[in-house]
Amino acid sequence: AQTVTQSQPEMSVQEAETVTLSCTYDTSENNYYLFWYKQPPSRQMILVIRQEAYKQQNATENRFSVNFQKAAKSFSLKISDSQLGDTAMYFCAFQLAGTALIFGKGTTLSVSS
Amino acid sequence: EAGVAQSPRYKIIEKRQSVAFWCNPISGHATLYWYQQILGQGPKLLIQFQNNGVVDDSQLPKDRFSAERLKGVDSTLKIQPAKLEDSAVYLCASSLERTPGYTFGSGTRLTVV
Repeated sequence: AQTVTQSQPEMSVQEAETVTLSCTYDTSENNYYLFWYKQPPSRQMILVIRQEAYKQQNATENRFSVNFQKAAKSFSLKISDSQLGDTAMYFCAFQLAGTALIFGKGTTLSVSS
Repeated sequence: EAGVAQSPRYKIIEKRQSVAFWCNPISGHATLYWYQQILGQGPKLLIQFQNNGVVDDSQLPKDRFSAERLKGVDSTLKIQPAKLEDSAVYLCASSLERTPGYTFGSGTRLTVV
């Protein structure tokens, strides 16, 4: 069975600084997808970034980038130039094709001015 | 395109009462998911539908929870009778068939007192 582990329950960062959220996963499969979702207090789960396991190049979306280490089964999220609006809970998730997303327990990120 | 619609937004019931949640996925999305998210935790899959058939309901507490997706479009999740530990946010999500990642609704926050 696949598992996702987020070892940082809470993180804090100052505006304009960079923060990295950690995620590790366990699977015996070779083809899968990894995601970071953001959940603000409104509860709406918002897709931040997606990585296909067969792609060696790390995904990037504006200020958000990942460090995907397939052999180490690690998938960290880097947020550059942090903004107050980045304050939210962040979930790492794993998916095999045709199956449901499996989520980690989340990391609460607080951005302060 | 319109997003995933869920109602109600909030619900408070007494233990042993019944409750139902409704979800209307994005038009054309064949796959629909219901997740339970207990406060401070990651979402946990309750059930996955493909059109009007069940793909995975292994984590659905079938003694009290039921779900249906008649006509392969909108879906209803029911709890009867509710327990205190059912207090959570219930998230609905949908996706195109065999497409990685999905779109979430805003969720229903259930409080059982």
